[in-house]
Amino acid sequence: EVQLQQSGAELVRPGTSVKLSCKVSGDTITAYYMHFVKQRPGQGLEWIGRIDPEDDSTKYAEKFKNKATLTADTSSNTAYLKLSSLTSEDTATYFCTTWAGGYPFAYWGQGTLVTVSS
Amino acid sequence: DIQMTQSPPSLSASLGDKVTITCQASQNINKYIAWYQQKPGKAPRQLIRYTSTLVSGTPSRFSGSGSGRDYSFSISNVESEDIASYYCLQYDNLPLTFGSGTKLEIK
Repeated sequence: EVQLQQSGAELVRPGTSVKLSCKVSGDTITAYYMHFVKQRPGQGLEWIGRIDPEDDSTKYAEKFKNKATLTADTSSNTAYLKLSSLTSEDTATYFCTTWAGGYPFAYWGQGTLVTVSS
Repeated sequence: DIQMTQSPPSLSASLGDKVTITCQASQNINKYIAWYQQKPGKAPRQLIRYTSTLVSGTPSRFSGSGSGRDYSFSISNVESEDIASYYCLQYDNLPLTFGSGTKLEIK
């Protein structure tokens, strides 16, 4: 069974950066495109971008191009999302999720809550 | 970017009712739409992919249909465990875009 385990909640100061992790178990991370999705409190889902761990190629939604950086480490089967220049608008739960073949977002991590506050 | 207009924002149904949620895309998405259920504090769960294909474990009371720009998702015989928010996702083109969600409540 494929499982995605995300890192724990973060309380971070405005203007700083944070790096979130998403570890895949039950399969090799290279079998999937790894995507990240943002959900602000009480709001809907927003696609941030995806990485192909095979070649580290990335695609981002336009609004996240200067905000988010996706990386992957195939040796540890882990994908990462780095968020920079944090503001209160970045306070949200961030989910990682998989895409393989015709199965968009079949598996999900439990989410990481990032709270930006001074 | 493809906009997904989802309606209604909320639904109130009695147990055993049939409910329907719609998503209209701003352009043809070639049936590349999926539907997700999200319960409070949990990650979304995929229910349907490619308009009408139920993923493993999805109860048969859930269904999807549509083509072109217009798609619908239905729950027949609503059960108490169906209390959740539901989202559509278009995956025909990047950037991937979600509908704004529908919150299902029980009367």
